[in-house]
Amino acid sequence: AQSVSQHNHHVILSEAASLELGCNYSYGGTVNLFWYVQYPGQHLQLLLKYFSGDPLVKGIKGFEAEFIKSKFSFNLRKPSVQWSDTAEYFCAVVLNTDKLIFGTGTRLQVFP
Amino acid sequence: GAGVSQSPSNKVTEKGKDVELRCDPISGHTALYWYRQSLGQGLEFLIYFQGNSAPDKSGLPSDRFSAERTGGSVSTLTIQRTQQEDSAVYLCASSLTGYTIYFGEGSWLTVV
Repeated sequence: AQSVSQHNHHVILSEAASLELGCNYSYGGTVNLFWYVQYPGQHLQLLLKYFSGDPLVKGIKGFEAEFIKSKFSFNLRKPSVQWSDTAEYFCAVVLNTDKLIFGTGTRLQVFP
Repeated sequence: GAGVSQSPSNKVTEKGKDVELRCDPISGHTALYWYRQSLGQGLEFLIYFQGNSAPDKSGLPSDRFSAERTGGSVSTLTIQRTQQEDSAVYLCASSLTGYTIYFGEGSWLTVV
């Protein structure tokens, strides 16, 4: 069955630490890939997306993600996190059938 | 409006009552999605529409839940005989096929 896995459920970092959140999907067809962020008490916002082309994509607020097709992965990275990055992060995959599947989310807490 | 609009934004209902949640997608968007997010939980897929048809209803938790979409635009999610475990934020999203998915701000449902 198609699925999206986020291996890190809860990540705690200090400010200025580097971040990498894992995302793997299981689907053999063409996919579009997304990372969404949900700040406390707010709705989902798009961080970045990959449709085609350069597998390293840049998003807002200094985030980037790399699509590695052979590993079915789309990990999210940020070189230096800030307290304001505290939020829940969701990886999502749109299959070529248009079905959108979310990972279970990763809660990031950044301490000053 | 420019974004996905959901109503009501907040709803408190008594156990056993029926509720209807409405989603107005971005004009022209062919795909429409319903998710729910319970307190402390991830995003749970409910159903998605491609035009007026629902290729995947597998996420609807029980036969008390139903959804329809008319005219390829507005969608209504109906929950009959609400239970306390139905309390959640119900999120709607829309997209053009193969493009970015945009989320509404959600309908917060509380069943008392």
